[in-house]
Amino acid sequence: ELKVEQNPLFLSMQEGKNYTIYCNYSTTSDRLYWYRQDPGKSLESLFVLLSNGAVKQEGRLMASLDTKARLSTLHITAAVHDLSATYFCAVDRDFGNEKLTFGTGTRLTIIP
Amino acid sequence: EPEVTQTPSHQVTQMGQEVILRCVPISNHLYFYWYRQILGQKVEFLVSFYNNEISEKSEIFDDQFSVERPDGSNFTLKIRSTKLEDSAMYFCASSVGDSGNQPQHFGDGTRLSIL
Repeated sequence: ELKVEQNPLFLSMQEGKNYTIYCNYSTTSDRLYWYRQDPGKSLESLFVLLSNGAVKQEGRLMASLDTKARLSTLHITAAVHDLSATYFCAVDRDFGNEKLTFGTGTRLTIIP
Repeated sequence: EPEVTQTPSHQVTQMGQEVILRCVPISNHLYFYWYRQILGQKVEFLVSFYNNEISEKSEIFDDQFSVERPDGSNFTLKIRSTKLEDSAMYFCASSVGDSGNQPQHFGDGTRLSIL
């Protein structure tokens, strides 16, 4: 059974600081997705990582994938309040268009 | 930008009743999914649907659940006899079908409350 674990589960950080969320998974997938969820809202796609060493950046967020270590990171640079949300990583089984197995989520709170 | 739409946004139903959740996937997408999220927990896969048939389903998706694409645009999830533990947010998603190079796009969800 594919397992996806994130840490930390909760993260409270001050504006302007940097931090990293970690996502470990148990299968040999080359595909990893990051989603953002605001309270009571849907899941918004942030990044699609499709190969070992993939790195993508959007604004203050940067995601990377190490398929050998089965690890993805989501790095937050100089956090701002608008980034407060729950972040999920998700993995499929390398064939695309299949079910996503989601991580436990990291609830990020940015304190002004 | 095209989006997945779900109705209703909130459904309150008595235990034992049937409920139908509706979704309109993005028009050029070929793969459709239902997920659920119990309050405060992670998102769980229920079922995927392609070419008018179920391609995969989870253990959660038992005989009480069914999916249908009754026309060219709607995709529905039916729960025949609801239980208290079916209370959750149900998300519909769709993907374009290009071997996973694009993410699944999620609707805003239907919050299902079973009394």
